[in-house]
Amino acid sequence: AQSVTQLGSHVSVSEGALVLLRCNYSSSVPPYLFWYVQYPNQGLQLLLKYTSAATLVKGINGFEAEFKKSETSFHLTKPSAHMSDAAEYFCAVTRAYNFNKFYFGSGTKLNVKP
Amino acid sequence: EAGVTQFPSHSVIEKGQTVTLRCDPISGHDNLYWYRRVMGKEIKFLLHFVKESKQDESGMPNNRFLAERTGGTYSTLKVQPAELEDSGVYFCASSWDTTGNTIYFGEGSWLTVV
Repeated sequence: AQSVTQLGSHVSVSEGALVLLRCNYSSSVPPYLFWYVQYPNQGLQLLLKYTSAATLVKGINGFEAEFKKSETSFHLTKPSAHMSDAAEYFCAVTRAYNFNKFYFGSGTKLNVKP
Repeated sequence: EAGVTQFPSHSVIEKGQTVTLRCDPISGHDNLYWYRRVMGKEIKFLLHFVKESKQDESGMPNNRFLAERTGGTYSTLKVQPAELEDSGVYFCASSWDTTGNTIYFGEGSWLTVV
């Protein structure tokens, strides 16, 4: 079975500070992992995905995530937060046989303070 | 190119009434998915269409929910009769296939049952 745990439903950082959003997964088979972002009044947008290639994945808007099998983690980071990063972020896991059947975490709302 | 379009964007209905949500996928996308996020919880898979056929409906919560995709184009999700716990955001998504090509999400239909 697949599941995802996102630690922290709300994270607040200052503009320019490091962003770290945590995601741990459980999967009975090698997983594919994703981060999605939802800006207010918009749909879900793919930030980045891990599909068993390089363990450090770079995404859009300066975000990146590292797949750590030993820790079953896929934390999302960005070196310097911008006001425009304020949104809700979702970690998700899926499997190769139905790539688009996602198991999402409960989401983390990122607040960026000026 | 138009994205995934969902109607209505917001709906408020009374308990016991019927609501029908519609999703227009990106033209040519055979795969169509419905997901739901109940308030404060994770986004959960409801079902997956391939063209007009239900490939996987393991996430449908109960028989008050009926999804259709006649002709393999747009899809509807009917809730009848609606209950308070059905309140949440219903996301539709579409993709060319299930092998890893990008899946596109709509902006969601917000349903409030009072």
